[in-house]
Amino acid sequence: AQTVTQSQPEMSVQEAETVTLSCTYDTSESDYYLFWYKQPPSRQMILVIRQEAYKQQNATENRFSVNFQKAAKSFSLKISDSQLGDAAMYFCTSQGGSEKLVFGKGTKLTVNP
Amino acid sequence: DSGVTQTPKHLITATGQRVTLRCSPRSGDLSVYWYQQSLDQGLQFLIQYYNGEERAKGNILERFSAQQFPDLHSELNLSSLELGDSALYFCASSGAGGSTDTQYFGPGTRLTVL
Repeated sequence: AQTVTQSQPEMSVQEAETVTLSCTYDTSESDYYLFWYKQPPSRQMILVIRQEAYKQQNATENRFSVNFQKAAKSFSLKISDSQLGDAAMYFCTSQGGSEKLVFGKGTKLTVNP
Repeated sequence: DSGVTQTPKHLITATGQRVTLRCSPRSGDLSVYWYQQSLDQGLQFLIQYYNGEERAKGNILERFSAQQFPDLHSELNLSSLELGDSALYFCASSGAGGSTDTQYFGPGTRLTVL
């Protein structure tokens, strides 16, 4: 069974600074994908970034990038130049052969002005 | 806007009642997923449909059922409601429903059982 662990229940960052959210996962699937979703106070689940496990290159989407360490089963999210609108719950998820997303418990990110 | 729509946005009902939540996937998406987000259980996968057929089942209670119609919209039926069923219910959709597909979430339906 797939498991996803987010060890930081809460994080805070100053506006314009950089923050890294941690995530470790475990899966027996050989072909899987990893995602970070963001859930702002509106409760909408918004895709932030996606990483294919077969790709060695780390995914990047504007100010968001990941550090994917496959051997260590680690998938951290780096947010650069943090903005007030980045404040949200961030969920790390994995998706493998069973096709269902397995979610971590989330990290609440606060951005201080 | 993800392109996935869910109705209603909010639902308040009493214990023992039955409700139906509706989801319309993004245009062209064949697969629909249902998730439950509650304070104590976090986000949990309930069930997946692909092109009208059930494809995968998660932690879905026997009191809950779902279906996907020929026009690809889906409905989640919750019956004999209990206080613990109060949660945010998300629908997500993806293209082919494969393990490599990104899921896009709707805005959710907040269910309150009194």
